[in-house]
Amino acid sequence: EDQVTQSPEALRLQEGESSSLNCSYTVSGLRGLFWYRQDPGKGPEFLFTLYSAGEEKEKERLKATLTKKESFLHITAPKPEDSATYLCAVRGDSGYALNFGKGTSLLVTP
Amino acid sequence: KAGVTQTPRYLIKTRGQQVTLSCSPISGHRSVSWYQQTPGQGLQFLFEYFSETQRNKGNFPGRFSGRQFSNSRSEMNVSTLELGDSALYLCASSLLGTVGETQYFGPGTRLLVL
Repeated sequence: EDQVTQSPEALRLQEGESSSLNCSYTVSGLRGLFWYRQDPGKGPEFLFTLYSAGEEKEKERLKATLTKKESFLHITAPKPEDSATYLCAVRGDSGYALNFGKGTSLLVTP
Repeated sequence: KAGVTQTPRYLIKTRGQQVTLSCSPISGHRSVSWYQQTPGQGLQFLFEYFSETQRNKGNFPGRFSGRQFSNSRSEMNVSTLELGDSALYLCASSLLGTVGETQYFGPGTRLLVL
């Protein structure tokens, strides 16, 4: 069974203090690892899709990386508007559905 | 391009009632998936539709059902509501629903069952 574990559950950063969020996964035949951002009361907003180990993608202050067992979402010099819950999901050979982790709640203070 | 839209955004129902939620996918997208999000369980997959056919189904009771129309719009129905059905119901669309394809989510419908 596909499993996704995200850590930490919650993270508080000062503005400008860089950090990384972790997503550990077990999946049969990875077909994609997805990162989403979710603001309170809203639907998840797509950030990145990674398909193979060694792949990296960047968008503004965010950079996602992938190994065979985990993915990291690096946040460089975060701003308060980066505060949100970051969700990781995987899709494997075993089924159609996205399997989500419980998310990391990020708070960036001025 | 307009995103995924869901109506209504908020609903309050009482136990035993039924509810219908609606989802309009991104224009050109033919695959529509539904997820339930609760604080305890996170996001869980309900079902996926493509060309008016349910192709995949998650581990939810038969009270949860759905359908898709020829214009790719989708509805999901929950009958005999229970308190535990209170959740954010999210719809996601993708072009063909192929494995590895990105799913784009709507804003969700917040359902409260009293």
